[in-house]
Amino acid sequence: AQSVTQLDSQVPVFEEAPVELRCNYSSSVSVYLFWYVQYPNQGLQLLLKYLSGSTLVESINGFEAEFNKSQTSFHLRKPSVHISDTAEYFCAVMDSGAGSYQLTFGKGTKLSVIP
Amino acid sequence: KAGVTQTPRYLIKTRGQQVTLSCSPISGHRSVSWYQQTPGQGLQFLFEYFSETQRNKGNFPGRFSGRQFSNSRSEMNVSTLELGDSALYLCASSGGQGLTDTQYFGPGTRLTVL
Repeated sequence: AQSVTQLDSQVPVFEEAPVELRCNYSSSVSVYLFWYVQYPNQGLQLLLKYLSGSTLVESINGFEAEFNKSQTSFHLRKPSVHISDTAEYFCAVMDSGAGSYQLTFGKGTKLSVIP
Repeated sequence: KAGVTQTPRYLIKTRGQQVTLSCSPISGHRSVSWYQQTPGQGLQFLFEYFSETQRNKGNFPGRFSGRQFSNSRSEMNVSTLELGDSALYLCASSGGQGLTDTQYFGPGTRLTVL
């Protein structure tokens, strides 16, 4: 069974500093990769995804993630964070098994941006 | 366009009872998926319905079931409730082919089992 590890449960970072949220998964056979974000008092929403093609994917608000097959990782990065980026971030992996797709989430990383 | 709506927003039940949660997707979306979110286990995928058929399923016991109607509205049922079923239940809808397309999440139903 697939497992997704987000090594850091909490990441405090100063405003305008860079940040990297790490995500590793266990099985690399034909996966789709996602990052979701949950802002305080708001619903979950998709931030970015990798399905195929370029291994570097970007979101509209400046985040990017790179699919690294050899290291089974999909780390999320932003060169300069803003207060509004304070949220919980979830990495998710979709893979097929027994004829259907499974979607497995990491436990989440709480990003706190300090002014 | 109206977003994904879930009813009820809050629910309190006792052990052994059963519960039905409802999800109305964004108009035109045919895929509805359900998730359980708890502090201990985090976010877990329950199942996905597409055009009234269960297409994908997570690792949950048979007490968790669902269905989807012809108007794409979906219901999730949990029978013989256990204390560990206390959670925020989220549903999401997507257009296109389902789970690989952008999913739009509802606000969730907070279920408390006493």
